[in-house]
Amino acid sequence: DAKTTQPNSMESNEEEPVHLPCNHSTISGTDYIHWYRQLPSQGPEYVIHGLTSNVNNRMASLAIAEDRKSSTLILHRATLRDAAVYYCILYNNAGNMLTFGGGTRLMVKP
Amino acid sequence: DGGITQSPKYLFRKEGQNVTLSCEQNLNHDAMYWYRQDPGQGLRLIYYSQIVNDFQKGDIAEGYSVSREKKESFPLTVTSAQKNPTAFYLCASSPNSGLSNQPQHFGDGTRLSIL
Repeated sequence: DAKTTQPNSMESNEEEPVHLPCNHSTISGTDYIHWYRQLPSQGPEYVIHGLTSNVNNRMASLAIAEDRKSSTLILHRATLRDAAVYYCILYNNAGNMLTFGGGTRLMVKP
Repeated sequence: DGGITQSPKYLFRKEGQNVTLSCEQNLNHDAMYWYRQDPGQGLRLIYYSQIVNDFQKGDIAEGYSVSREKKESFPLTVTSAQKNPTAFYLCASSPNSGLSNQPQHFGDGTRLSIL
């Protein structure tokens, strides 16, 4: 299965943009890139997903490299409530399974 | 509001005892999943079900069992064969299995501990 690599942790100041990177060099042509985030003692929450084109929604933007070997989740203005572990996941049709890696712990400073 | 309900929130198991974790969804989703999360780690897939009366093993199915008798319900039994059951268990669902552009919806988890 294709894997993802993310930094263990990142820090941001409140009200500033945050760029969370993810490498997925072994991605296959049909794999979607999904992002989830998880607050302590809660289940993961869906953030955004994409295949080839950049995507925007009310929570974030997803920038996907032209070769699809990396992607970046963009939070335009970080708030204290955005402090969470962010998971970048490749979602494939084989068994409809999500493979979760270790994620990036985002800390937001006031 | 539609969503996924997991119960109980906290559960304690004695050695040699089987325990069952409940997962109910009212989203009318076909597919349901069980994950295990250990402290500081990502999620690992235990079992998944794409349709009623059918389920498949995930990466770490040993020591666990499931059933899918109703679309809304996907209970997980942690058997005495699971030697290290202490973990955070998460249930999820998605509208239709086999479509990789559909996000999964998660419950708030059950934290299982050994007495």
